[in-house]
Amino acid sequence: AQSVTQLGSHVSVSEGALVLLRCNYSSSVPPYLFWYVQYPNQGLQLLLKYTSAATLVKGINGFEAEFKKSETSFHLTKPSAHMSDAAEYFCAVSRSAGRRALTFGSGTRLQVQP
Amino acid sequence: EADIYQTPRYLVIGTGKKITLECSQTMGHDKMYWYQQDPGMELHLIHYSYGVNSTEKGDLSSESTVSRIRTEHFPLTLESARPSHTSQYLCASSESGQGAGNTIYFGEGSWLTVV
Repeated sequence: AQSVTQLGSHVSVSEGALVLLRCNYSSSVPPYLFWYVQYPNQGLQLLLKYTSAATLVKGINGFEAEFKKSETSFHLTKPSAHMSDAAEYFCAVSRSAGRRALTFGSGTRLQVQP
Repeated sequence: EADIYQTPRYLVIGTGKKITLECSQTMGHDKMYWYQQDPGMELHLIHYSYGVNSTEKGDLSSESTVSRIRTEHFPLTLESARPSHTSQYLCASSESGQGAGNTIYFGEGSWLTVV
């Protein structure tokens, strides 16, 4: 079975500071990994995804994530936080067979302080 | 931008009422999904469809039912709503093929409150 664990339900950074949101996965087969962002009262928007190509994946809004097999991690980073980055971020893993629906982590709420 | 639409966005209804949450996508995607999300919590898959006339229950047990008569339409129905059904329901869709790396596109969600 595949699963993801997001470390830290709340992360607070200052505007302009580095953003680091942690995600570790568990999978018996090479995973497909995703980061989604959810703004208040909205659905989920794809930030980026890893599908076994380059291990460093660049996404929208200046975010990127690095797939590290040795650490079973897929942490999301952004060099400089903006106020508009405040949202809920979800890491997800896709099953390699069967339904191939996403299994989500519990989410990390990012606060950006002025 | 994904072309997947959910109605209503917000609904407050009384206990025992029947409700249907509508979901439509214009991308021609075969796979569609319903996720349930309580405020501040993770998403749980409650229904899944491979295509027309193909539906399955998800990971989280739900008293809701779904149908897939047309590719673009995947409505979710609660025959008799209860306060425990209060939640956000997110519809999603994805292409077939390309294995498990396909992007899943989400609608904006339907917030249901049962009083």
